[in-house]
Amino acid sequence: QQQVKQSPQSLIVQKGGISIINCAYENTAFDYFPWYQQFPGKGPALLIAIRPDVSEKKEGRFTISFNKSAKQFSLHIMDSQPGDSATYFCAASLPSSGYSTLTFGKGTMLLVSP
Amino acid sequence: SAVISQKPSRDICQRGTSLTIQCQVDSQVTMMFWYRQQPGQSLTLIATANQGSEATYESGFVIDKFPISRPNLTFSTLTVSNMSPEDSSIYLCSVEIRGGYSSNEQFFGPGTRLTVL
Repeated sequence: QQQVKQSPQSLIVQKGGISIINCAYENTAFDYFPWYQQFPGKGPALLIAIRPDVSEKKEGRFTISFNKSAKQFSLHIMDSQPGDSATYFCAASLPSSGYSTLTFGKGTMLLVSP
Repeated sequence: SAVISQKPSRDICQRGTSLTIQCQVDSQVTMMFWYRQQPGQSLTLIATANQGSEATYESGFVIDKFPISRPNLTFSTLTVSNMSPEDSSIYLCSVEIRGGYSSNEQFFGPGTRLTVL
C-alpha cells in the first residue's frame, strides 16, 4: 500500500514558468513533510519541508502549500530554470521510538526547457 | 546538515558474491538509515541502524540478506549478500539530524550504484 501518492510522474515546464508537483497521504500520524531534489548520479538533497501546523512555507523560489483537511501538499517552483531539471520526491515522516522514518512518493521528473 | 560519504561509489559484481558498502558521516549521529533505490524508482527504506543495537529491518528485508553494522556514531556498513541481478540498485545511507526546523531532518549520502551480473 502506497502511503504517499505523488503526481505527475513527469513534467515539462518552460523557463520562467511555474512547476507544480502534488502529493497526497493517508496516514494522519505523519508529522513532517519534506521535499527532496535529486540530480542524476547524486543522492537526494533536502529542499524544503513543512509541518502540518502551517499552511504554507516559502524559501526563495520554492513554496510548499499544505492542506491538512484534504491530506494534500504541493511544491511550487516559481520562475523555473533549466538548472531545476531534476527528480523531485515528496516524503512524509512518521515518528517512532526516538526517531522518525520517511515514506517517499514515487517521484516527479521535471524538465525545464530553455 | 551533514557531510556524508559512501564507498564504493559504484561496483559491478558477480552473482552469488557479497558487497559491503561503507557510510561515513562528519559528525556524530544517533540514527543512520539505509535505503534502496531501484533504477528510475523511488527510495525504499531497508533498515534503521542505531549505534550499539541491532538494526531494525523493514518488511521485505532480512538481516541474512542485508546485514548492517553500526560500530560507532559516525560510521555504518551495509552488506548485500549472495547477490542476484535483482539486487542491482542504488544504495543510499542517510542520517537524522536533530535541532533544525524539524527534529528529524534526514540527509543523504551520494549513493552506491551496484550492478550485479
